[in-house]
Amino acid sequence: SQQGEEDPQALSIQEGENATMNCSYKTSINNLQWYRQNSGRGLVHLILIRSNEREKHSGRLRVTLDTSKKSSSLLITASRAADTASYFCATDANTGGFKTIFGAGTRLFVKA
Amino acid sequence: EAQVTQNPRYLITVTGKKLTVTCSQNMNHEYMSWYRQDPGLGLRQIYYSMNVEVTDKGDVPEGYKVSRKEKRNFPLILESPSPNQTSLYFCASSQRGMGNQPQHFGDGTRLSIL
Repeated sequence: SQQGEEDPQALSIQEGENATMNCSYKTSINNLQWYRQNSGRGLVHLILIRSNEREKHSGRLRVTLDTSKKSSSLLITASRAADTASYFCATDANTGGFKTIFGAGTRLFVKA
Repeated sequence: EAQVTQNPRYLITVTGKKLTVTCSQNMNHEYMSWYRQDPGLGLRQIYYSMNVEVTDKGDVPEGYKVSRKEKRNFPLILESPSPNQTSLYFCASSQRGMGNQPQHFGDGTRLSIL
């Protein structure tokens, strides 16, 4: 089952613009994480937000979490060509087990 | 250097020929997991392990086996591979399996089953 679903599926912007990606999920969660994947490589952890947090920052990244709407957003400010990658949200499905559920991802292309 | 190492990185094989993809981590992590990545579907969890001798199914366990005899190793076994298991596979590990720890990923294994 797909817990997290990212929106949009693909995003193309100019260098210097902001990029916003959204993630929706179905069941209650304890934590939500965002990961980045450069083409075909392993995923790299970006940021973790707990269910009792509403917003978190890390450098040019800003993540928000709205548990009432079961959604999260990742904002990358002042994007660079090097930000070109796929971005995934991942949740722990608070169902008694310890599964991790990833969304299908957003492909971001930043044009120089 | 902290890392998760998968082998092989690439494998082309035929239907029915048993294969094992190895995964090793050097961070003394308790939690390890296998995922497969297919176009448009993101990563789907195959199996995970909370610690030595403790494993559980993810969302797509059919056709796969795992074992966790040592903390550092978590091999993925395909007893009788089929073409629908052609995919990009990732192993990952984290300190704990509570969802509040970042997962560290290997570089992936691209598996083609003819």
